[in-house]
Amino acid sequence: GAGVSQSPRYKVAKRGQDVALRCDPISGHVSLFWYQQALGQGPEFLTYFQNEAQLDKSGLPSDRFFAERPEGSVSTLKIQRTQQEDSAVYLCASSSGTGYGYTFGSGTRLTVV
Amino acid sequence: GENVEQHPSTLSVQEGDSAVIKCTYSDSASNYFPWYKQELGKGPQLIIDIRSNVGEKKDQRIAVTLNKTAKHFSLHITETQPEDSAVYFCAVGPSGTALIFGKGTTLSVSS
Repeated sequence: GAGVSQSPRYKVAKRGQDVALRCDPISGHVSLFWYQQALGQGPEFLTYFQNEAQLDKSGLPSDRFFAERPEGSVSTLKIQRTQQEDSAVYLCASSSGTGYGYTFGSGTRLTVV
Repeated sequence: GENVEQHPSTLSVQEGDSAVIKCTYSDSASNYFPWYKQELGKGPQLIIDIRSNVGEKKDQRIAVTLNKTAKHFSLHITETQPEDSAVYFCAVGPSGTALIFGKGTTLSVSS
């Protein structure tokens, strides 16, 4: 596609529920990043993939967060047993290189109630 | 780790005026400095970037300046227009993986 596509755009989850957020990067982009953006803050790094390899997951806040990119294209960010502090916009970005000039999707706004 | 400070947090200008947003960083090994514009309900959009071997870069009404010695860089927008109103983020790239973002500047341009 022409841009990075994320779905769903909005997700409301009850506390304790598991959620899965999807990212379709720009075709051919080898690098894929997940960021978390709290209200009124800048994006914060969660994890990075180069093709199917997860090279950096240092930003994942707890072991409830898990990301995968099994075929080096679509990626899924899964959050288990959601908590209220997980409420945020989750942004996906992709780039053709290793971190320069990446393109963001519009994000998924997660609200945990 | 890298620490990025961005100022001001809000900026109001009249249409046609210039706007300047500044960022400082801590890691002297950082070598990539992009600026993003984020409109309501959208993801950040790259508007200009600079690498550490360049001191200034300009693209029409937008320019970025970099002072590696002082570890700061700035975004300059000239002849501002109402459609420039948005949240602007600076970011710093330590050697090509994750970007570290500032907290953002909300720019309001009134006509």
